[in-house]
Amino acid sequence: ETGVTQTPRHLVMGMTNKKSLKCEQHLGHNAMYWYKQSAKKPLELMFVYNFKEQTENNSVPSRFSPECPNSSHLFLHLHTLQPEDSALYLCASSQDGRGQDTQYFGPGTRLTVL
Amino acid sequence: DAKTTQPTSMDCAEGRAANLPCNHSTISGNEYVYWYRQIHSQGPQYIIHGLKNNETNEMASLIITEDRKSSTLILPHATLRDTAVYYCIVLSGSARQLTFGSGTQLTVLP
Repeated sequence: ETGVTQTPRHLVMGMTNKKSLKCEQHLGHNAMYWYKQSAKKPLELMFVYNFKEQTENNSVPSRFSPECPNSSHLFLHLHTLQPEDSALYLCASSQDGRGQDTQYFGPGTRLTVL
Repeated sequence: DAKTTQPTSMDCAEGRAANLPCNHSTISGNEYVYWYRQIHSQGPQYIIHGLKNNETNEMASLIITEDRKSSTLILPHATLRDTAVYYCIVLSGSARQLTFGSGTQLTVLP
């Protein structure tokens, strides 16, 4: 596989469920990102990891819990979500998380919370 | 980061060049111009970026005016698969968050 992959591509969950989104990058990058894209809203940066360390958390509710075990893998653990959390969740990676560092995106996970 | 202005939509005939304009009149000296595109419900795809000079890669060409206040993305031979929303973004040296505006919906017509 090449580039940035995300699984699952689609996820439907109830508000009491616990699920995880997975992202893997095959580009040898050191920075990884989670974004949320809701219908008719701008792209929202959620978390940034640089060399496995979280360097940015944009006031994301605690029901979203990221995990970065190594520079190639990024997870987003979900629990007790709300219907308004339904969105396209995008993972991206870049060389080293510096500004003007080109970010490459995965295909996204379309999440629906019932 | 500098704000960008793009037309809401454009059509292009298949096989012809698609020229997508972007205004960024408040761009500062250390800000790059990036272009991404997003096909419906898929992840954004990086296309090209530049600072001052024109750039070309296997996907597209980027023409930046001498005063850097505007740029044009050129897809030399548009195909139906190029139908997407195209985003022009200006990024400063410290910015990590990509902020997508409303972009230009390019429709390539058969």
